[in-house]
Amino acid sequence: GQNIDQPTEMTATEGAIVQINCTYQTSGFNGLFWYQQHAGEAPTFLSYNVLDGLEEKGRFSSFLSRSKGYSYLLLKELQMKDSASYLCAVNNEDYKLSFGAGTTVTVRA
Amino acid sequence: ETGVTQTPRHLVMGMTNKKSLKCEQHLGHNAMYWYKQSAKKPLELMFVYNFKEQTENNSVPSRFSPECPNSSHLFLHLHTLQPEDSALYLCASSQELGTGSGELFFGEGSRLTVL
Repeated sequence: GQNIDQPTEMTATEGAIVQINCTYQTSGFNGLFWYQQHAGEAPTFLSYNVLDGLEEKGRFSSFLSRSKGYSYLLLKELQMKDSASYLCAVNNEDYKLSFGAGTTVTVRA
Repeated sequence: ETGVTQTPRHLVMGMTNKKSLKCEQHLGHNAMYWYKQSAKKPLELMFVYNFKEQTENNSVPSRFSPECPNSSHLFLHLHTLQPEDSALYLCASSQELGTGSGELFFGEGSRLTVL
């Protein structure tokens, strides 16, 4: 089976940094995705990691450790528009994505 | 705009009704998916089609019936649903199953309420 865990909710202040952790135990591994989903909208792609290390893309960075079954998404210089749900997903041995339940991030002024 | 369009965006139906959800992608992809999204739960994969062939039926009850007439269109036919089927149904597409990163492109979903 697939087991992907991430915190349910996080709150942070505008301009701050928030780190969303994701741990996984899956049958096979072909990469890990982070998606952002605003309420009532489609999930949209944020990042993809298949090798260990840090991938940086503007204010957002994603880290992967395959040996630890661990990833995090780092959001820097938080803005109000970053309030959304963040979904961790693993591409498993069948090349299908298994998702965590999502982390709702609330940014306060 | 993700290139994946779902209709209707909202649907309310009784348990004896028959309705269909429609998904269309304009990305030239060959794989299409139906996911169910319930509050506080992980996205549940329901069905996968690759080049119009169904490759996954994730133990979905027969009251949900998918149809994929071509690589650009995907339907989910609904009949005699239960209130617990109320959820957001997301359609997604990808280049091709088993190739590339597997990145999914999602539609905005159809919010289904079963009374």
